[in-house]
Amino acid sequence: DAEITQSPRHKITETGRQVTLACHQTWNHNNMFWYRQDLGHGLRLIHYSYGVQDTNKGEVSDGYSVSRSNTEDLPLTLESAASSQTSVYFCASSRSPGYGYTFGSGTRLTVV
Amino acid sequence: GENVEQHPSTLSVQEGDSAVIKCTYSDSASNYFPWYKQELGKGPQLIIDIRSNVGEKKDQRIAVTLNKTAKHFSLHITETQPEDSAVYFCAASTWTGNQFYFGTGTSLTVIP
Repeated sequence: DAEITQSPRHKITETGRQVTLACHQTWNHNNMFWYRQDLGHGLRLIHYSYGVQDTNKGEVSDGYSVSRSNTEDLPLTLESAASSQTSVYFCASSRSPGYGYTFGSGTRLTVV
Repeated sequence: GENVEQHPSTLSVQEGDSAVIKCTYSDSASNYFPWYKQELGKGPQLIIDIRSNVGEKKDQRIAVTLNKTAKHFSLHITETQPEDSAVYFCAASTWTGNQFYFGTGTSLTVIP
């Protein structure tokens, strides 16, 4: 069965370190998204991609970057982790406009 | 851009009663409205969606209504069961847009 997987499920890192969160989908979806979820803020868009070599900034993109070298993967990199980036991160994909997302199970990141 | 507001933020109901969650949106161009259910420790899961060319959609105990004139849509859960306890998110998008704008979530508790 097709799926979308995130790794790791949990990570603790130190302030200032570079961290990469992985997202891999086997749905063959062109569209992929990264959200962060914080209490009181719901889901906020970090970055998104409409296809290979395409990346776009979302509403909370500062301090984050993504790259899309193939259809299946959209890794999220925190260039220099900050305590404000402690959050739960969700990756999602969709096949085309007007269709709902399929979400991964999330990565809980703690920056100490 | 689009602004989606969701109410209430928390909701407790007795098992067997109905639950209603309401969302409003600001962009009249939005025409696709999915609802997601998020169980503890998991990613959001699409449970029902509605497009602007219909006013109501049902799937067993779940229904969604849309009032385009007033720019609001609602999720109705009848005969609630303990397994309905979760956080529910509404979202809005357009036919051509790949981005979803999420509400801040409603934590539903069904009391046995």
